[in-house]
Amino acid sequence: EVQLWESGGALVQPGESLRLSCAASGLTFSNYPMNWVRQVPGKGLEWVSTIGTRGDTYYTDSVKGRLTISRDDSKSTLYLQMNSLSAEDTAIYYCAKSGYCTTKCDGFDIWGQGTMVTVSS
Amino acid sequence: IQLTQSPSSLSASVGDRVTITCRASQDISSHLAWYQQKPGKAPKLLIYAASTLRSGVPSRFSGSGSGTDFTLTISSLQPEDFATYFCQQLQSFPLTFGGGTKVQIK
Repeated sequence: EVQLWESGGALVQPGESLRLSCAASGLTFSNYPMNWVRQVPGKGLEWVSTIGTRGDTYYTDSVKGRLTISRDDSKSTLYLQMNSLSAEDTAIYYCAKSGYCTTKCDGFDIWGQGTMVTVSS
Repeated sequence: IQLTQSPSSLSASVGDRVTITCRASQDISSHLAWYQQKPGKAPKLLIYAASTLRSGVPSRFSGSGSGTDFTLTISSLQPEDFATYFCQQLQSFPLTFGGGTKVQIK
């Protein structure tokens, strides 16, 4: 069974940094693009970032220059380094595995349970 | 690419046929996915490539459309289907989600 497990969420003050991790099991991790999606509780989903199998990265505009996605295929782990955090970053952060991909991918087929990041003074 | 879902919420009864629409601000071919999310849980993929039912998803769910206009249909609403549904475009970065449709019990 494919599973994703996020960790690292916490309460931090504005301007501080945090690193989220997402450990994967039950799959050949290196074969799949991976993603971060966030959600303010009770609100909609916001795509944050994607990393391809070759390490190519993509970000939503509001996090460019502050959040960095990375992966360690030897550890089957996805990361999100979060710097210069602000209240607008407060959300549940989900990691998600991309489905089958050719030139495009078929959705996000496996999701973790989410980890809460709260930015507040 | 903006995705506009409608309605934002609806009330329906068990057994009803439910239709949710998702309109893209530009042509996304068939690169659209639909998700179901229940309170306190992560989203679950229901349909990808606009109309392909994910393995294990009940056949009462179906998707249609291409280009800019898409539909998710639940043919006969079941108690476990009361949830929020989101569309997502995978045509180009930045990837985007629709605002969601909350399906409530009438």
